[in-house]
Amino acid sequence: EPEVTQTPSHQVTQMGQEVILRCVPISNHLYFYWYRQILGQKVEFLVSFYNNEISEKSEIFDDQFSVERPDGSNFTLKIRSTKLEDSAMYFCASSDLQGLGTDTQYFGPGTRLTVL
Amino acid sequence: GNSVTQMEGPVTLSEEAFLTINCTYTATGYPSLFWYVQYPGEGLQLLLKATKADDKGSNKGFEATYRKETTSFHLEKGSVQVSDSAVYFCALYPREGKLIFGQGTELSVKP
Repeated sequence: EPEVTQTPSHQVTQMGQEVILRCVPISNHLYFYWYRQILGQKVEFLVSFYNNEISEKSEIFDDQFSVERPDGSNFTLKIRSTKLEDSAMYFCASSDLQGLGTDTQYFGPGTRLTVL
Repeated sequence: GNSVTQMEGPVTLSEEAFLTINCTYTATGYPSLFWYVQYPGEGLQLLLKATKADDKGSNKGFEATYRKETTSFHLEKGSVQVSDSAVYFCALYPREGKLIFGQGTELSVKP
């Protein structure tokens, strides 16, 4: 069964450093998402991406964040200058339809980001 | 606006007990509703879904019925196992854009 994959599973970084989190969505999917979950809190939407541009972003997704689909398979989330409060589990998701009521977002296993 | 409220956890049950995890929502329009499960140390897995009122989603012995009149999507299982121990998330999809999650309910099943 096709699945979303994410690398690395755990990333430790120093405050102020740049990190890139990588995702490989399901191959025939067209819509891509990033969510995050701070320990013990809700899963929160960050950004959605379709047709090589951002469709929607939350207020969390400020200028420090960017997303990119550098090739036909990868989808990346970059945090330019990490802060302590960026420590969280970051989930990538993908879906093949949107707005038709039958689409489902499939999630990757997550990348745990720890900012020291 | 759109929001999801789940019953607070943790919920602790003995094996073979009946499980109910309550989920209510607020939404404009006609959203799809989902339950996702997160096993310890793992990511989010889709458990079941329902796309319109009165639909029943089911998987692995879990069931939830989309109740528009009570704006609810409660998760039930007749007989839980130790392996069901996980965090369960109710989520709403308002037909475009992002999933909106509840706060999650931790379930612990003891042998």
